[in-house]
Amino acid sequence: QVQLVQSGAEVKKPGSSVKVSCKASGDRFSTSLITWVRQAPGQGLEWMGGLVPIYGIVKYAQRFQGRVTIIADRSTNTAYMDLSSLRSEDTAVYYCARAVLGYCDTTSCLVQNGMDVWGQGTTVTVSS
Amino acid sequence: EIQMTQSPSSVSASVGDKVTITCRASQDIKSWLAWYQQRPGKAPKLLISAASSLQSGVPSRFSGSGSGTDFTLTISSLQPEDFATYSCQQAYSFPLTFGGGTKVEIK
Repeated sequence: QVQLVQSGAEVKKPGSSVKVSCKASGDRFSTSLITWVRQAPGQGLEWMGGLVPIYGIVKYAQRFQGRVTIIADRSTNTAYMDLSSLRSEDTAVYYCARAVLGYCDTTSCLVQNGMDVWGQGTTVTVSS
Repeated sequence: EIQMTQSPSSVSASVGDKVTITCRASQDIKSWLAWYQQRPGKAPKLLISAASSLQSGVPSRFSGSGSGTDFTLTISSLQPEDFATYSCQQAYSFPLTFGGGTKVEIK
């Protein structure tokens, strides 16, 4: 049974950075798409980016490009999401989630499946 | 970027009612669509993948259909635990994108 356990809540000042971790137990960590999704208060789900650890393939949503970095430590089955230049609008719950890939090689991946395992969420509050 | 448009944004219904939620993609996504249920304060839960494939453990009153650009999620007989927000997500290409969500409320 795969589980994703995220790091705890954070309170940050505008302009600073936050790093959230997501530790996976169980198998298929390296061959799955590990994604980050956020949800601002009262708003919908927003995909930020994702990583396939075994190939190092990383994809980001355009609106976060340049501000977000997603990496993975395969030795500890842990993924990290770093968001910089924080502003009040980044106040949200940040989730990591896994999707089993339909196909993937060293150059491209087809997701095809939904995100079947989710972390518990990490609340990030940006306030002066 | 593929835009996902859900409707309605909210629906009021009673226990036992049939509820249908629609999701439209801005371009052809084949059958690569997922549906999620989210209760307040909880992480989303995957209900359906590949437009119509029910996840293990999800009650059979949930069903999904569609392909191309138009998709539906149907709850055949609403139960008390089904009052939640439902979101669609395309899994066809990066960036992955979600619909805006549909809140199912008690009438």
